[in-house]
Amino acid sequence: EAQVTQNPRYLITVTGKKLTVTCSQNMNHEYMSWYRQDPGLGLRQIYYSMNVEVTDKGDVPEGYKVSRKEKRNFPLILESPSPNQTSLYFCASTGLAGGYNEQFFGPGTRLTVL
Amino acid sequence: QKEVEQNSGPLSVPEGAIASLNCTYSDRGSQSFFWYRQYSGKSPELIMSIYSNGDKEDGRFTAQLNKASQYVSLLIRDSQPSDSATYLCAVNTGTASKLTFGTGTRLQVTL
Repeated sequence: EAQVTQNPRYLITVTGKKLTVTCSQNMNHEYMSWYRQDPGLGLRQIYYSMNVEVTDKGDVPEGYKVSRKEKRNFPLILESPSPNQTSLYFCASTGLAGGYNEQFFGPGTRLTVL
Repeated sequence: QKEVEQNSGPLSVPEGAIASLNCTYSDRGSQSFFWYRQYSGKSPELIMSIYSNGDKEDGRFTAQLNKASQYVSLLIRDSQPSDSATYLCAVNTGTASKLTFGTGTRLQVTL
């Protein structure tokens, strides 16, 4: 089954404790991205990756890092989380369908930073 | 000006009626347009994509695109309570794979 997976699905942590949210896709897609979703603000892109070892900042990259060492994996790293990073996070993978790119989302990770 | 704008709602329609959801976008160079459905606490689910002017129908859903007016809409016929969700409009802007999302319209289908 074609899918995007994320782990963990729920995480409560404390300020300053480094964490990683994993993302994996089995569709051989080149483009992957991370979003956060906050009430009233919608989905905002944090980082994206066009391919292995190619990453770039999205609209709200501050406080986040990513890496893309393998095509299927795109982890999101918070080196020193702060309470304003409490949010719902989605990983997404984009592939061609009918000649155009269509984006598919993982199940989400709800992060709370105390 | 926001790049993709939607009325936040809630839009309330009775069961069996047609729900009409609207979206405007600012980038005239946008090439592809998507509607996602998102249930509370769940991930967005792609339900419609449209790339050329006119209508595209898929079951009870019809997407309409008017590039001259920079307007895209989603019609849901025979609305069901299970259609109650937030509908996100997304537009392909900038780089080939970057999507910009509206903040969504919450739809409530009443019995």
